Amino acid sequence: ELKVEQNPLFLSMQEEKNYTIYCNYSTTSDRLYWYRQDPGKSLESLFVLLSNGAVKQEGRLMASLDTKARLSTLHITAAVHDLSATYFCAVVDSNYQLIWGAGTKLIIKP
Amino acid sequence: EPEVTQTPSHQVTQMGQEVILRCVPISNHLYFYWYRQILGQKVEFLVSFYNNEISEKSEIFDDQFSVERPDGSNFTLKIRSTKLEDSAMYFCASSARGPNEKLFFGSGTQLSVL
Repeated sequence: ELKVEQNPLFLSMQEEKNYTIYCNYSTTSDRLYWYRQDPGKSLESLFVLLSNGAVKQEGRLMASLDTKARLSTLHITAAVHDLSATYFCAVVDSNYQLIWGAGTKLIIKP
Repeated sequence: EPEVTQTPSHQVTQMGQEVILRCVPISNHLYFYWYRQILGQKVEFLVSFYNNEISEKSEIFDDQFSVERPDGSNFTLKIRSTKLEDSAMYFCASSARGPNEKLFFGSGTQLSVL
């Protein structure tokens, strides 16, 4: 059974700082997603990572995937308040369904 | 940009009552999903639907739950006899060709069972 773990679960940081959110998963998968969720809102797709070594960047967010280590990272560069949200990683399992991490609640203080 | 729409945005019901949550997936998408998120917890998969039948379902999706595509546009989730623990945000999603692709989520229906 695929398990997905994120850490940290909660992160409070100052603007302009850099930080990384980690997503580990327990069994082989070659497809991983990062989603953002604002309070009371739906899930917004950020990145789809399809292969080992994949790196994608948009604005201040960069995601990478290491399928051998079963690890994805979401790196935030020079954080701004607008990036405050909960970030979820989700991994496709052998039944082609998404298994979700618990989410990382990110608060960026102005 | 095309989007998945869900109605209602909020639903309050008494325990034991039936509820139907409605979704209109993106029109050219073939795969449809229901997920739920209990307040403060992770998103959980309920069911996926393709070609007018369930393709996968989780342990949560027991006999109290059913899905239907009654016409060419709507996709519904029915809970026959709601329980307190069914209170959650229910998200509908669709994808063009399968769960390996990007899922587009609706804005959710907040279900409160009293």
